[in-house]
Amino acid sequence: GAGVSQTPSNKVTEKGKYVELRCDPISGHTALYWYRQSLGQGPEFLIYFQGTGAADDSGLPNDRFFAVRPEGSVSTLKIQRTERGDSAVYLCASSLEAGRNNEQFFGPGTRLTVL
Amino acid sequence: DQQVKQNSPSLSVQEGRISILNCDYTNSMFDYFLWYKKYPAEGPTFLISISSIKDKNEDGRFTVFLNKSAKHLSLHIVPSQPGDSAVYFCAASLGYSTLTFGKGTMLLVSP
Repeated sequence: GAGVSQTPSNKVTEKGKYVELRCDPISGHTALYWYRQSLGQGPEFLIYFQGTGAADDSGLPNDRFFAVRPEGSVSTLKIQRTERGDSAVYLCASSLEAGRNNEQFFGPGTRLTVL
Repeated sequence: DQQVKQNSPSLSVQEGRISILNCDYTNSMFDYFLWYKKYPAEGPTFLISISSIKDKNEDGRFTVFLNKSAKHLSLHIVPSQPGDSAVYFCAASLGYSTLTFGKGTMLLVSP
């Protein structure tokens, strides 16, 4: 079966624009996570979903960031009024269920560049 | 304030030798620890994990050691192979699911 896929693989935008990043988790995985990896840093947690609901959004840096998972499968991370500091690789992961014994499988990421 | 620290940005090892990657953490509430491996342009892939109730977990060439009193864990790779060359991330979990990652250590295994 396919792994976690993310589209687009690269996104270049201008400061102030709106962007949407998409994640397709592994089929049947109920938990979905978004992380952000800035240059020279490790992945940093943003938000995680269990089914359709956001179970923990404590990592979202501010209200310009929002994520949805309306049908419990595909998720979209939305960033409004992008800033240069938002430039990073945005990683999505999914696991069969939430819980520390459930391995998180990562997608290849979307590299976002804000000019 | 980094809760998971990997103080060595890079490590070079010869093929066949042991690679030791280190990780320190500050939050004593972390109860599950993981190592991920990452190749360029790919997402991290899970390598090995350890629960806080254990002090060692082994899987083939990979062994993770946990020293809770020192808040330190290490990943040993024996013998190291050129294909092991990648960035290795240490991660810790508190209770449920979300992972806190270190900055990573780039391992280079030369033939």
